[in-house]
Amino acid sequence: DAKTTQPPSMDCAEGRAANLPCNHSTISGNEYVYWYRQIHSQGPQYIIHGLKNNETNEMASLIITEDRKSSTLILPHATLRDTAVYYCIVRVHSGGSNYKLTFGKGTLLTVNP
Amino acid sequence: EAGVTQSPTHLIKTRGQQATLRCSPISGHTSVYWYQQALGLGLQFLLWYDEGEERNRGNFPPRFSGRQFPNYSSELNVNALELEDSALYLCASSVIMTGNTEAFFGQGTRLTVV
Repeated sequence: DAKTTQPPSMDCAEGRAANLPCNHSTISGNEYVYWYRQIHSQGPQYIIHGLKNNETNEMASLIITEDRKSSTLILPHATLRDTAVYYCIVRVHSGGSNYKLTFGKGTLLTVNP
Repeated sequence: EAGVTQSPTHLIKTRGQQATLRCSPISGHTSVYWYQQALGLGLQFLLWYDEGEERNRGNFPPRFSGRQFPNYSSELNVNALELEDSALYLCASSVIMTGNTEAFFGQGTRLTVV
């Protein structure tokens, strides 16, 4: 899996948009970008994933640059419950034996009141 | 729809013993993944099962083993427990073997080795 780089921590004010960046400059054409988050001592929660087009669901939006070397996860109106470690992962689309998710250190997002 | 369930929630064992952790995937999911998360550290990939077969294995010693049953539930066994095996063990499941399918995690089993 391609390596990802994320800032170790970020702060955001409650009610404002949280924009979490991720660099994946070595991403291959068949790799998807996934985002998960982990609230303290709980199992990771799936947020969103995409290949090259921007994606939106009820939780967040994912913006992938045209060259696919970076992406941004957007939480449009952050709440205190969004405080968590956010993981950006790239995952191979095909190839048999490598569908595992490889987690890095992620970004600790702290939403402040 | 029930999510991924893991049992037990907490497990305390003494050094040298064996631990068995269980995972029930979401109905219809055939792939099960196991991860270890030691305190303050990231998630380390352990094992991946699909359709009853071990498909991939992380960099862990052979005393970490598992299996997947015909109903797709899975078991992780850790033999000859060591103090550093104390961690949160997480199980995830996904529906089919592609890269375009999200995996969903359970809440984990916290194993403490004393």
